[in-house]
Amino acid sequence: GQQVMQIPQYQHVQEGEDFTTYCNSSTTLSNIQWYKQRPGGHPVFLIQLVKSGEVKKQKRLTFQFGEAKKNSSLHITATQTTDVGTYFCAGRLGAGSYQLTFGKGTKLSVIP
Amino acid sequence: NAGVTQTPKFRVLKTGQSMTLLCAQDMNHEYMYWYRQDPGMGLRLIHYSVGEGTTAKGEVPDGYNVSRLKKQNFLLGLESAAPSQTSVYFCASRLIAGDTRNEQFFGPGTRLTVL
Repeated sequence: GQQVMQIPQYQHVQEGEDFTTYCNSSTTLSNIQWYKQRPGGHPVFLIQLVKSGEVKKQKRLTFQFGEAKKNSSLHITATQTTDVGTYFCAGRLGAGSYQLTFGKGTKLSVIP
Repeated sequence: NAGVTQTPKFRVLKTGQSMTLLCAQDMNHEYMYWYRQDPGMGLRLIHYSVGEGTTAKGEVPDGYNVSRLKKQNFLLGLESAAPSQTSVYFCASRLIAGDTRNEQFFGPGTRLTVL
C-alpha cells in the first residue's frame, strides 16, 4: 500500500536554530498537506501543496513539494519555543481520493 | 461554532467490553474520518464516511464498526475491546470535494485504555 515516510523522528534544537523535516512517498501524490500537533493537542492544518515544485511560505515556515511530487519538506527558520510539537505530512494519492496517508511525524523540541 | 467535538474524552475498558465513541461536527461537512494515534505510528485511518448513510474501511478497520446516520455525527464502535485497541482516537471532518483547501478539522481526541 501507499507509504509516506517522514524523517527524522525526533529533532532537538537550540532556540534560534533552523529545523527541517522531510517526507517521502513511494508513489506520486496528488497533493500533500502538513499538520502540527502541540503536546497533548490535536493535529491542526498548516498548508496544502498541489503543484510540482511548489514553494509556500508562512512567516518563518517554508514548505516545498518536489518536482516529481513524491517528496516534500518543511523548514522552520530561527525556531522559537512556540514551534514545539509534532509535525506531520499527509499525502493524497489521487485527486479524487478521500483518504490521506500520514507520515509518522517529526517531534520537535526547542531548548530555550 | 464548536467545530468537531468528541465524547468521551477518556475511557478505561476491560477486555471484552464494548463502547461507542461519538464524534459531532457543526460545520456541515460532508466527509468524516476516524483515526487512531499510537506512539511512533502517526495517524492511521480506521474508517471514513463521504456522506450521510455511507461508510468505508480505512487502513486499520479490524475490530471497529462505524455508522453515519446523521450528517453531523460519526460513531465508532468497539464490539469486544482488546488491549491492542488502547490508543488515542481522533475524529476529523472535511468540507467537500472541490474545496481547494481540503483541510481536515480534528476533534480533541479520546484517550482509551483497555485493560
